[in-house]
Amino acid sequence: KNEVEQSPQNLTAQEGEFITINCSYSVGISALHWLQQHPGGGIVSLFMLSSGKKKHGRLIATINIQEKHSSLHITASHPRDSAVYICAVMIYNQGGKLIFGQGTELSVKP
Amino acid sequence: EPEVTQTPSHQVTQMGQEVILRCVPISNHLYFYWYRQILGQKVEFLVSFYNNEISEKSEIFDDQFSVERPDGSNFTLKIRSTKLEDSAMYFCASRDSDLNIQYFGAGTRLSVL
Repeated sequence: KNEVEQSPQNLTAQEGEFITINCSYSVGISALHWLQQHPGGGIVSLFMLSSGKKKHGRLIATINIQEKHSSLHITASHPRDSAVYICAVMIYNQGGKLIFGQGTELSVKP
Repeated sequence: EPEVTQTPSHQVTQMGQEVILRCVPISNHLYFYWYRQILGQKVEFLVSFYNNEISEKSEIFDDQFSVERPDGSNFTLKIRSTKLEDSAMYFCASRDSDLNIQYFGAGTRLSVL
């Protein structure tokens, strides 16, 4: 069983739509990351959460520690948001290593 | 903004050859990591490094792999005798001791022929 599960695996949206990507995990964590990976392969950190909610521009990330669940929302989506979005958890007391979900491939059509 | 730098961006090698992948972490960071991503698969943890020693390694990180911080700025991953299945994107990451945010390099694409 994967320790980090994301859904959906693929998502196609029209420009302007509100998008939600979900992440569930089965282990105790000290933090959760949302990452973005573009076709060239590079990884960029979007958010790091240990509780509550964070917002950056059109991106919002939430986490529910009790339910072991996090969501990434994109408001007013744009074609430039097209990328793979990855959830990764930092397991409690394991030196900071990240365990990754399989990623959600988002395509936003104009 | 400070960034993690990886070189080369693409490395092609013959099976059985040794390769060294190089990373320059952010200068005041103390924790360093290598991850890899086989094409079409999720990113996997390889090894973490702190205080000049390995703090944790995965099952993937066998005797063919080694890491080193030779000069206080570079952080290298060596694969002694490459196999076809080592073909992947290798990412270096670093973080400081106060924050849990990891900063990733752009990756090195390793192709073993």
